[in-house]
Amino acid sequence: EAGVAQSPRYKIIEKRQSVAFWCNPISGHATLYWYQQILGQGPKLLIQFQNNGVVDDSQLPKDRFSAERLKGVDSTLKIQPAKLEDSAVYLCASSSRQIQLYGYTFGSGTRLTVV
Amino acid sequence: GEDVEQSLFLSVREGDSSVINCTYTDSSSTYLYWYKQEPGAGLQLLTYIFSNMDMKQDQRLTVLLNKKDKHLSLRIADTQTGDSAIYFCAEEFYMDMGRRALTFGSGTRLQVQP
Repeated sequence: EAGVAQSPRYKIIEKRQSVAFWCNPISGHATLYWYQQILGQGPKLLIQFQNNGVVDDSQLPKDRFSAERLKGVDSTLKIQPAKLEDSAVYLCASSSRQIQLYGYTFGSGTRLTVV
Repeated sequence: GEDVEQSLFLSVREGDSSVINCTYTDSSSTYLYWYKQEPGAGLQLLTYIFSNMDMKQDQRLTVLLNKKDKHLSLRIADTQTGDSAIYFCAEEFYMDMGRRALTFGSGTRLQVQP
C-alpha cells in the first residue's frame, strides 16, 4: 500500500514570500490532516478535511494560511505571506473511518525554512 | 483543552529496557498511540492501545495504560541503537459529528548508548 506522499521535501523562502505544499493521501482515506511541527515540539493540528469539506480549521492562522482539498483527494496548504515563525515541518496525514488497523498515517513532511 | 505531557529525554544502554512515560487529559479518548520519529523523517506508527485495555504487547514493545491516572507508558525491551529516535505519545480526541484527530506530546528523545 502506498503511503502518504508530500512535496516538496524541503523549501527555503524569504519572509513575506508565498509557498505551497502538496499532499496525496492514501487511496480511499476520507479524512486528511495538516499538522505543523516546530523544531523541538510535537505536531500541532492546523486543519482537518473530511472528503473535500473542512471540518476543523480552528488552529489555522487564516490571515496567512489557506488550504483546500479539491475532489476529496489531494490537498494543498499555502502560506502567504510567510513569517520567520512559520519555519517548521508541515506534515500531512490521512485516516480511514475504521482506524483500528491503520491508525493515522503520516507523510514524510515538508521542511520549510523562512529566512 | 487536550494536553499530553512527556519527559524530554531518556538515555539507556544497549540491551537494557527503556520506559517512556506520558500523561494525557482527555478522559474520553478511545485510542492512544505511540509514534517514532527518526531525524528528518515523518512519524512512524509503532503501536496503539484501545482505552478498555490495560496492556498490549507487540514483540519488543509493551504498552501499559492506567486510565484512572491517565498515564500511558511504552516499554522497549532489549533496546538497540536503532531505537534511538524521538517518541511521541498521542491521544485521539473527538469533536462532534464523529470528527476526531490526534493531540501529540512534545516527544521524548531516546538515546541508546552502545
